[in-house]
Amino acid sequence: AQTVTQSQPEMSVQEAETVTLSCTYDTSENNYYLFWYKQPPSRQMILVIRQEAYKQQNATENRFSVNFQKAAKSFSLKISDSQLGDTAMYFCAFSEIQGAQKLVFGQGTRLTINP
Amino acid sequence: GAVVSQHPSWVICKSGTSVKIECRSLDFQATTMFWYRQFPKQSLMLMATSNEGSKATYEQGVEKDKFLINHASLTLSTLTVTSAHPEDSSFYICSARDAGLAGSEQYFGPGTRLTVT
Repeated sequence: AQTVTQSQPEMSVQEAETVTLSCTYDTSENNYYLFWYKQPPSRQMILVIRQEAYKQQNATENRFSVNFQKAAKSFSLKISDSQLGDTAMYFCAFSEIQGAQKLVFGQGTRLTINP
Repeated sequence: GAVVSQHPSWVICKSGTSVKIECRSLDFQATTMFWYRQFPKQSLMLMATSNEGSKATYEQGVEKDKFLINHASLTLSTLTVTSAHPEDSSFYICSARDAGLAGSEQYFGPGTRLTVT
């Protein structure tokens, strides 16, 4: 069974700083998807970024980028020029490509951006 | 696009009663919907996978008779918590996958807060 581990329960940075959230996972699959989801205080889950394992290029979405290390099974999220609105819980998630494509979530990292 | 709604957004019920939560994909067809449970300050725990026109697949440890799931159409799945008890109080979230798109992305509903008194 796949597992996802986020080792940082909480992080706090100043506005405009760069912050990196860590995520490691375990799977025997060669192809799969990895995601970062954001859950603000409203509790609405929002997709931040997605990475296909068969793509070597790291995904980027504006201020958000990932460092995908397939061999190390590591998938970190970098937030540049952090903003107050980035304050949220961040969940790393894994999905197989075949079958039901269920999401397996990590424990989450509570990120606080301070003014 | 890709909006998923849930109704109700919050509900309070008495112990022993049943509560139904609806999950709708508003602008796409979803052959597969997922139901999650989230306790305070914790991650999302998958309860079951709901497939249109067939029986739901429950995760290990989730009581099928307590959490009844019906996915009668490509845009609607319902979760019924039967004979609810205080320990069923939680935040329930659904998600849906667009049948017309490849890529595994799930769109999440805003969640339903259930309080059983």
